[in-house]
Amino acid sequence: DAGVTQSPTHLIKTRGQQVTLRCSPKSGHDTVSWYQQALGQGPQFIFQYYEEEERQRGNFPDRFSGHQFPNYSSELNVNALLLGDSALYLCASRGSTEAFFGQGTRLTVV
Amino acid sequence: AQSVAQPEDQVNVAEGNPLTVKCTYSVSGNPYLFWYVQYPNRGLQFLLKYITGDNLVKGSYGFEAEFNKSQTSFHLKKPSALVSDSALYFCAVKGQTGANNLFFGTGTRLTVIP
Repeated sequence: DAGVTQSPTHLIKTRGQQVTLRCSPKSGHDTVSWYQQALGQGPQFIFQYYEEEERQRGNFPDRFSGHQFPNYSSELNVNALLLGDSALYLCASRGSTEAFFGQGTRLTVV
Repeated sequence: AQSVAQPEDQVNVAEGNPLTVKCTYSVSGNPYLFWYVQYPNRGLQFLLKYITGDNLVKGSYGFEAEFNKSQTSFHLKKPSALVSDSALYFCAVKGQTGANNLFFGTGTRLTVIP
């Protein structure tokens, strides 16, 4: 049983560009959340998708958007990248109570 | 608003000694509390959770946590530390009723000294 998988593992982008990160949830999970973990910080909630709709959103600007597909996989899109967007982006799928996390995508904005 | 605090950035313990990683929480209503561990260049691994019931919760890899409502604490413990336990530990609390997002602490780096 595959856990939560994310791609790519590492990414380098230039300031002002756009990026798309991908996530496949754990088998049987239909809810996907995205978190941003800046260096030396705890993860911060970006948003959550369920039934292909954004259900909850944290304190992130509209440059951060997402999508969920019928197979429950999800994408995180970030437009107009800033240097401060450099972070580890974590995807989580939710079981009955706890969340299961992928290994993350390390985004570096230069 | 929900939040957790991890007062120690770094905890050092000798191999074989008991370890404690501290966490305090602030919630409205009953807390759903979690501990996660993060190894270098990896995502978060679930260790244990408190939803309701016994105040002592047992989890993966020999870890346990004690829920204390009066002190609003949820400290992570292990009777005998291993070098392989060295990692970054995060305490988290679930959002308010109807919300599923987690609020994480800033993390505690545990180093087990051989």
